[in-house]
Amino acid sequence: ETGVTQTPRHLVMGMTNKKSLKCEQHLGHNAMYWYKQSAKKPLELMFVYSLEERVENNSVPSRFSPECPNSSHLFLHLHTLQPEDSALYLCASSQDSNYGYTFGSGTRLTVV
Amino acid sequence: AQKVTQAQTEISVVEKEDVTLDCVYETRDTTYYLFWYKQPPSGELVFLIRRNSFDEQNEISGRYSWNFQKSTSSFNFTITASQVVDSAVYFCALSEGRRKTSYDKVIFGPGTSLSVIP
Repeated sequence: ETGVTQTPRHLVMGMTNKKSLKCEQHLGHNAMYWYKQSAKKPLELMFVYSLEERVENNSVPSRFSPECPNSSHLFLHLHTLQPEDSALYLCASSQDSNYGYTFGSGTRLTVV
Repeated sequence: AQKVTQAQTEISVVEKEDVTLDCVYETRDTTYYLFWYKQPPSGELVFLIRRNSFDEQNEISGRYSWNFQKSTSSFNFTITASQVVDSAVYFCALSEGRRKTSYDKVIFGPGTSLSVIP
């Protein structure tokens, strides 16, 4: 299996829908991250989980709700999103070794 | 505070030309790590290289080379004889060596979009 797997790859949802993004890593890493990448904008760190505990939440609106049930899985639950939330959502993982991140392929989200 | 600057927003080159992507960083740490990632149109950020602050040797990997200059706080990336498959967004990044958090905190630059024209 590849390092970090994200599903779905593409998602179109209405503003009243509820959906979840899934991220899975089989690298034995102990930290997982959600990033948002909008067109023409820098990478924005949304959430960090370290040893399954949320350790960083960068002023993300409550319509985004992360969940980390174990060290291998990370979810991002979405509800009542806005069109400006359309973006590429990237998951990453790392081990505490300063070897940087391993990224998933991302979920390209479109809110209509 | 840590910061990574990539002053070139977009670069276009003709295939087979050499191209250098600039990266300037700021940190107060004496131990730190620098990275380059490539993001092709498919979306995934692909790790290219990691360099620690004590190793100023330049590195070459095929057509890719990296020039680390502590004196100017720069970590530039050169692609020799560029190819269309090199078209991507390239991110320079920095992480602190003596970690103040329980996880690796990586600061990314804004990215440079490289287009290689056939």
